[in-house]
Amino acid sequence: DAGVIQSPRHEVTEMGQEVTLRCKPISGHDYLFWYRQTMMRGLELLIYFNNNVPIDDSGMPEDRFSAKMPNASFSTLKIQPSEPRDSAVYFCASSFRGTSTDTQYFGPGTRLTVL
Amino acid sequence: SQQGEEDPQALSIQEGENATMNCSYKTSINNLQWYRQNSGRGLVHLILIRSNEREKHSGRLRVTLDTSKKSSSLLITASRAADTASYFCATRGGSYIPTFGRGTSLIVHP
Repeated sequence: DAGVIQSPRHEVTEMGQEVTLRCKPISGHDYLFWYRQTMMRGLELLIYFNNNVPIDDSGMPEDRFSAKMPNASFSTLKIQPSEPRDSAVYFCASSFRGTSTDTQYFGPGTRLTVL
Repeated sequence: SQQGEEDPQALSIQEGENATMNCSYKTSINNLQWYRQNSGRGLVHLILIRSNEREKHSGRLRVTLDTSKKSSSLLITASRAADTASYFCATRGGSYIPTFGRGTSLIVHP
């Protein structure tokens, strides 16, 4: 398996623009997580899905952030409009609860810079 | 919050030395995991220890868990320059979702 795939790897945009981050989880995994990592705040859980259904989005910072999972193999995180303080590395991770090991498999991340 | 907190925040050692980092948490857990993050990469799972276990080994890694003190330690023996990375503990309680700490940054000098 190719692991969790994220695109783009780097994104530079201007304040006010819409940003869409994409994630393809590992096939067969039933949980998908979106994280944001900054030096100041560390690794923050934004939202997670179980079987394509959003379960907890309490970590989403503002209404400017939204996430979807239209099917088991694809998820998006959208920021509209983007602001400089959104600059961070965004990670997608997936896991399969059936193993009961709770191991999360992380993608390589998307480094977002908002100018 | 049962978020784990790693200590120290940063650790610098010479190749061949052992590296020990600690994780403390606040509430009871089902298991605790350690992850590694190389610069510019995603986190990679290293080892999981369950609440009824006290010690686990994996290669050069040794993890201990003391539930009475609500703490865990990760020992890397005979460190190598390639071990340079950030190390995170993740605790899981009743929820399926683990909570990550802020990490320990380890630098191993060749």
